[in-house]
Amino acid sequence: DSGVTQTPKHLITATGQRVTLRCSPRSGDLSVYWYQQSLDQGLQFLIQYYNGEERAKGNILERFSAQQFPDLHSELNLSSLELGDSALYFCASSVDPSGNTGELFFGEGSRLTVL
Amino acid sequence: DAKTTQPPSMDCAEGRAANLPCNHSTISGNEYVYWYRQIHSQGPQYIIHGLKNNETNEMASLIITEDRKSSTLILPHATLRDTAVYYCIALLSNFGNEKLTFGTGTRLTIIP
Repeated sequence: DSGVTQTPKHLITATGQRVTLRCSPRSGDLSVYWYQQSLDQGLQFLIQYYNGEERAKGNILERFSAQQFPDLHSELNLSSLELGDSALYFCASSVDPSGNTGELFFGEGSRLTVL
Repeated sequence: DAKTTQPPSMDCAEGRAANLPCNHSTISGNEYVYWYRQIHSQGPQYIIHGLKNNETNEMASLIITEDRKSSTLILPHATLRDTAVYYCIALLSNFGNEKLTFGTGTRLTIIP
C-alpha cells in the first residue's frame, strides 16, 4: 500500500461524457502527479501540482483539466470523452516536501473505459 | 533528460540474482538514475536511485559504472513476485519543472 488513494477504481462511460477522477496523496506530501497509461502509449505524464499550484505540464489534452485543493487532494477532470481516452490513470505523490525528486509513490490507478 | 536504453525482455530463474542493464550514454553530470517497476497494471513502484556511487536498499542494488554511461539493477534473490516491467529513468537532480518520463522498460519474467 503506497498510501496514495485513487477513486473510482473502475469507471465505464460513454463518448462525449465528462468524468472526474480523485486522488488523495500520502499524508504530508505536497506534490501530486497525474499519469495516463494506455495500451499503445505506455505511461505518459500529464500534469503536476505542488501545494495547490500547477508546476509542470506534459501532454495533457485541452479537454482535460486538473486542480489541487487546499487539503492537497487532487482531481483530474476529463470531458468530451473519446474512445481513445480509455486508459489507466495514475496519481502519484512525492515524498520530497520541496517537490524536487523523482521518488514518487503511485496509487493503484483508475481504469476508465469509454464506450 | 538523458535517453535510456533497456532490453525489451529478460528471464531469470527463481532464487537467482536478476541483473537488469540500462544504457544512458548521454547522461549529464547532474542527472540521477532512477529505477521503477510496474507489476501487471498496478501503479509503478519506486525501487532505487543513484548519482555516482553504488546504492543498496532492502529491495535492490544499483551499480553505476565509473563513466556513468550505464548501470545495472540487481535483485539479489528473485522471486515470482518480482515479475514486472522495470523502468530505468535519468532525471535531473533539480526535479523542479521536469517530469519523470517512463520509456518501454524491460519485461522481467521470473521462471519457477
